[in-house]
Amino acid sequence: GENVEQHPSTLSVQEGDSAVIKCTYSDSASNYFPWYKQELGKRPQLIIDIRSNVGEKKDQRIAVTLNKTAKHFSLHITETQPEDSAVYFCAASILGTGNQFYFGTGTSLTVIP
Amino acid sequence: GAVVSQHPSRVICKSGTSVKIECRSLDFQATTMFWYRQFPKQSLMLMATSNEGSKATYEQGVEKDKFLINHASLTLSTLTVTSAHPEDSSFYICSARGGRENYGYTFGSGTRLTVV
Repeated sequence: GENVEQHPSTLSVQEGDSAVIKCTYSDSASNYFPWYKQELGKRPQLIIDIRSNVGEKKDQRIAVTLNKTAKHFSLHITETQPEDSAVYFCAASILGTGNQFYFGTGTSLTVIP
Repeated sequence: GAVVSQHPSRVICKSGTSVKIECRSLDFQATTMFWYRQFPKQSLMLMATSNEGSKATYEQGVEKDKFLINHASLTLSTLTVTSAHPEDSSFYICSARGGRENYGYTFGSGTRLTVV
């Protein structure tokens, strides 16, 4: 099955700086890579996703890059704000009926005002 | 957009009792639902996958007789924790597939179970 690894497990940055979280996956058949933000006690919220047919996607301060050859993808948050503080999870999946998401272990991001 | 409602949000029960958690897709038909368990500061661990009208597929190490999953309709799946013990205390969250957003995966709001 798929194995998703995520680093770092914790990350602290100063407000305004950038944050980068990296994930690797093992199954070359995976073709969909979402990123979720989870605040304490709440449901994960999709913040950005990328399909394997593109190498980069950007949405305002958030971007995701994908390297299919190396089987890794990264989340980039620029101009961080205190409200960005949360746990971020990457996931990998094969799009199709009933296919599950395989989640990374999570990164606890703290943005210091 | 796709909405998944999960109830209850919090529940405290005594050891030995059973607790039922409901997950409903409000505006789409959920052909597949996933049940996850999350311990504090840890990732989401898939417990089981259920398809409407068929038996759930459990992940290795998850006791199917302890965690009963029913997916009797396209809009409702339930997870029943039977004979709960303190070590079952956790955050349980469902995810439903069938909506148009996120290629069909929408999370419920989660249930914080505390067994005393």
